[in-house]
Amino acid sequence: DIVMTQSPDSLAASLGERATINCKSSQSVLYSSNNKNYLAWYQQKPGQPPKLLIYWASTRESGVPDRFSGSGSGTDFTLTISSLQAEDVAVYYCQQYYTTPFTFGPGTKVDIK
Amino acid sequence: QVQLVQSGAEVKNPGASVRVSCKASGYIFTGYYMHWVRQAPGQGLEWMGWVNPNSGGTSYAHKFEGRVTMTRDTSITTAYLELTRLRSDDTAVYYCAREKGDGYNPTDYWGQGTLVIVSS
Repeated sequence: DIVMTQSPDSLAASLGERATINCKSSQSVLYSSNNKNYLAWYQQKPGQPPKLLIYWASTRESGVPDRFSGSGSGTDFTLTISSLQAEDVAVYYCQQYYTTPFTFGPGTKVDIK
Repeated sequence: QVQLVQSGAEVKNPGASVRVSCKASGYIFTGYYMHWVRQAPGQGLEWMGWVNPNSGGTSYAHKFEGRVTMTRDTSITTAYLELTRLRSDDTAVYYCAREKGDGYNPTDYWGQGTLVIVSS
C-alpha cells in the first residue's frame, strides 16, 4: 500500500497569513502515460463530511476559493492557503488515488492564532 | 443537484453485521463509482473500497476483505455497505462518496455519514 504522510500535524496562523501543508507519498503517484499526479486534497470541518478542494495535485474543484492552491509532483505535494480566513479552520487530508487502496494522509489541523 | 442520503445510526453487538445504505439522486447512478470511507471517533479517514454501479464490480481494501460487501440496486439508485463480524474498533462514521468518474478519480460528493457503534 502507498503510505501518505503529512506535515505538520497542526498549525496555527493569523488571519490573512499564508498556511502551507505538506504531503508525501511512499511511492510516486505520477502516471507517466498521461503525466497526471493522482493526488487530491480534502477539507473537513467538525461534524461534516470531507469536501474536495484540489485534484490532479493542482486542479481546483469548482467553487473552491482561489486562495487554495496545490502544487508538487511525484512524491511531494503542498497545499497552500494564501490568506487564511476564519472559515478555513478545519482538518486537511491528502489522498492518493493512483492505486488501490486509495490511502489518505493522517490529516493536518489548521487553526487561527 | 447531486445528493447522497445515508441511512440512520446503528448500534450493534460485537460479532453482528451491519448494512448501511446510500441513496443517490441528481445524476446518472451507473456512470460514477461509489466509494466507502470510514472515520473512527477523533481519527482520520480510512478508504474501504468501491463499487461500480454499472457492473457491480468491486475493489476492497485488503484490511476488510472477507468481512465487507459492497453492492448496489440500480432500480432504486442505492448503494450498500455490509460489514460482518463487527468488533469494537469498527465503531466509526461510515461515508459513501461518489467518484468524479469511473475509476481512479477523487470523490466529489459525500453522504452525510452513518454512525455505527459496536458495543455490548
